[in-house]
Amino acid sequence: GEDVEQSLFLSVREGDSSVINCTYTDSSSTYLYWYKQEPGAGLQLLTYIFSNMDMKQDQRLTVLLNKKDKHLSLRIADTQTGDSAIYFCAETLYSSASKIIFGSGTRLSIRP
Amino acid sequence: EAQVTQNPRYLITVTGKKLTVTCSQNMNHEYMSWYRQDPGLGLRQIYYSMNVEATDKGDVPEGYKVSRKEKRNFPLILESPSPNQTSLYFCASSPQGRTEAFFGQGTRLTVV
Repeated sequence: GEDVEQSLFLSVREGDSSVINCTYTDSSSTYLYWYKQEPGAGLQLLTYIFSNMDMKQDQRLTVLLNKKDKHLSLRIADTQTGDSAIYFCAETLYSSASKIIFGSGTRLSIRP
Repeated sequence: EAQVTQNPRYLITVTGKKLTVTCSQNMNHEYMSWYRQDPGLGLRQIYYSMNVEATDKGDVPEGYKVSRKEKRNFPLILESPSPNQTSLYFCASSPQGRTEAFFGQGTRLTVV
């Protein structure tokens, strides 16, 4: 079946690294995404990774994909107060290009 | 500016009173969709459209209708709203279902 799971909350100290984790169940995923939702706003694509990649790095963001365990993570280096948001993991499947399946979102809060 | 525009941003209505939430995109995208966001449930797809006059049900279509008479517009219609449709609604568009989705700012609907 199709399911994407994330923990609901994460709290980190400013300047530390944040690691947000996600697991998915469908092995036919083609693209895996991380979206960011700031308060009162829509979702914005942060980064995505093809299912045939293991890692992608973009400035402070590092995405790791473990296909064997169906595990995706987003690492944010040097976390800042502006990183406070809800982060959604999502996938699209080879069988259904029209559908993006979202996780429940992880609310990241930053403490001083 | 490339964007997805939803209206209204906020709406309070009474049970049974028909309403329409509009969505318009200026990026000439073929694919558009509607999601609802509820706490702890992430985003769930209501309906999607691959192109003009081509719409299909998502995961939670009951109680909703859509139309796609023009490429840029994809309105969401609630013929007889009920309190369980109180939610935050997002419209999204993309050039194809597997790549980045651009989201509107959201419509917070309350049905009393």
